[in-house]
Amino acid sequence: EVQLLESGGGLVQPGGSLRLSCEASGFIVRDNNMNWVRQAPGRGLEWVSIVYSGGNTYYADSVKGRFTISRHSSKNNLYLLMNSLRTEDTAVYYCARERVVRGVLLGMDVWGHGTTVTVSS
Amino acid sequence: SYVLTQPPSLSVAPGETATISCGGNNIGSKIVHWYQQKAGQAPVLVMYYNSDRPSGIPERFSGSNSGNTATLTITRVEAGDEADYSCQVWDTSNDHRVFGGGTKLTVL
Repeated sequence: EVQLLESGGGLVQPGGSLRLSCEASGFIVRDNNMNWVRQAPGRGLEWVSIVYSGGNTYYADSVKGRFTISRHSSKNNLYLLMNSLRTEDTAVYYCARERVVRGVLLGMDVWGHGTTVTVSS
Repeated sequence: SYVLTQPPSLSVAPGETATISCGGNNIGSKIVHWYQQKAGQAPVLVMYYNSDRPSGIPERFSGSNSGNTATLTITRVEAGDEADYSCQVWDTSNDHRVFGGGTKLTVL
């Protein structure tokens, strides 16, 4: 079964750091475009970052320079290292696979259940 | 950066048709995807490539995209369709993904 399972969320003080993990099963992370998407309390979905199957990475302007997306070299995991955290980073963070067929992007077809990050003093 | 605009809310009676819009500059030139998110749950892809339904999504769900508006249409609305619906595109100018603000569908 194709699944994603996030972990690593928690309570952190402003200025602190946190690393989120996303373990995939049923498919290979490195062969797919993988995203992090977040949702602040009572708000809509906000795209955070992507790592393409080829390795290129991109970030939303709101997190660029503070967050780093990566993949494990041997485990089937995706990560998001979050530094210099701000109260506005408080959200549920989801990892999601982006389906690609013959170079055409067909949406995020697999999502994890999310992990909650709370930035507060 | 590219902006997608959705109405915050929509209320529909059971059995009626819900039409959820997603506005963007020349969005008809982009590929639009739609997600359904029920309370306390992760999003689910309900429409991709403007008008294609993933397996398991009822035929009551359909999509279109033209000009400056993409639309998700749900016919014969049921209580189980109550959820937040968000559109999403690929912003080719910067390789970012963009979500609309979401529309909360209430079934009366």
